[in-house]
Amino acid sequence: DADVTQTPRNRITKTGKRIMLECSQTKGHDRMYWYRQDPGLGLRLIYYSFDVKDINKGEISDGYSVSRQAQAKFSLSLESAIPNQTALYFCATSTHQGQGAQAGELFFGEGSRLTVL
Amino acid sequence: DQQVKQNSPSLSVQEGRISILNCDYTNSMFDYFLWYKKYPAEGPTFLISISSIKDKNEDGRFTVFLNKSAKHLSLHIVPSQPGDSAVYFCAATGNFGNEKLTFGTGTRLTIIP
Repeated sequence: DADVTQTPRNRITKTGKRIMLECSQTKGHDRMYWYRQDPGLGLRLIYYSFDVKDINKGEISDGYSVSRQAQAKFSLSLESAIPNQTALYFCATSTHQGQGAQAGELFFGEGSRLTVL
Repeated sequence: DQQVKQNSPSLSVQEGRISILNCDYTNSMFDYFLWYKKYPAEGPTFLISISSIKDKNEDGRFTVFLNKSAKHLSLHIVPSQPGDSAVYFCAATGNFGNEKLTFGTGTRLTIIP
């Protein structure tokens, strides 16, 4: 089983609909992130959370919200989806260097492909 | 404003030869740099990193070079193998890896058998 699990893996929706992407992890990491990947733009940070009570905006947070329900769960919501939110979304986790990871090392889920028509 | 740039969207290299992937950054506060590798239908995975206190870090076939004065880093893969075909992202962060990462746009590497 994957250490970082994203659901759904694929979703097609219509403009104006509310969408939630969920992420859960079994790595015991305190830090979680949401990125989106677009062709030619790489990976851009949407939101991140360094612990359960900490939520921070990333580069492109407009149109998105997040909820850190527990240390292991971090969900991303699109309140009213629009076509330019069509992208591949990745959840990632990290921990402090020396706790089984390199400094700065992120552990990614397999991605959620979202299409907004 | 793209703080981390990979100017080559794609690169093709013959199997057995050296692959060189380049990355430039603009933020002088970055002090820790990483390379990630991504296969289709999978999430990116960590490959190698380097701290700004070094100018080279080597791990098997992979070597990362850092030129702080030029704000440039490169990833060398030698010899290149077909399994190295993937998209490579460079990333940068501050506080020696304890802050959020900023990723580049990625380079698709194709190794030709």
